[in-house]
Amino acid sequence: QVQLQESGPGLVKPSETLSLTCTVSGGSISSYYWSWIRQPPGKGLEWIGYIYYSGSTNYNPSLKSRVTISVDTSKNQFSLKLSSVTAADTAVYYCARVQPYYDILTGYWPRDFDYWGQGTLVTVSS
Amino acid sequence: SYVLTQPPSVSVAPGQTARITCGGNNIGSKSVHWYQQKPGQAPVLVVYDDSDRPSGIPERFSGSNSGNTATLTISRVEAGDEADYYCQVWDSSSDHRGVFGGGTKLTVL
Repeated sequence: QVQLQESGPGLVKPSETLSLTCTVSGGSISSYYWSWIRQPPGKGLEWIGYIYYSGSTNYNPSLKSRVTISVDTSKNQFSLKLSSVTAADTAVYYCARVQPYYDILTGYWPRDFDYWGQGTLVTVSS
Repeated sequence: SYVLTQPPSVSVAPGQTARITCGGNNIGSKSVHWYQQKPGQAPVLVVYDDSDRPSGIPERFSGSNSGNTATLTISRVEAGDEADYYCQVWDSSSDHRGVFGGGTKLTVL
């Protein structure tokens, strides 16, 4: 059974960089997309971005200038960095595996989020 | 950018059928995925590709998608189905951005 676990500081100061790591166990990080999703308290889900195991990335345009997602296949981990944070970035951050599908003409694309971490609350405050 | 619209809340009595809609421009041309989120827990995938169920999800959960509306149907609703439900698509017109609906709170009366 695939399991994902987020780790990182629960408190980040305004203007600093939020850094989280997701450790994948029970399966290989290869052949999948891996994503970060966040949920502000009492609100809905927001997709942050994804990384393919090969290293290609795609980010939410609203966060693109501040987000970096990277992968370390040797450690079965992927990471999120969000710079210049404000109180609006306070949220529960989830990592998730993205099941791919194959289009015969255009190749692999992300499909659904089939496994999720338990989530970690990150509060931005001085 | 692509927008998914869900009703904020749906209420249903136990044993009845709940239908949760997800509206979007020509959403029928996209694959829709549905997630269930109970308080304090991570979301769980309940329907993918409009109408397929992951293993372990009861047959009571089904989905459909046509035109401008996708629907998650929960038959014979149980108290344990009370949760927030989110629809999700990929917006291929915008660099393949992930998009979630605003969520629907299902209340079992």
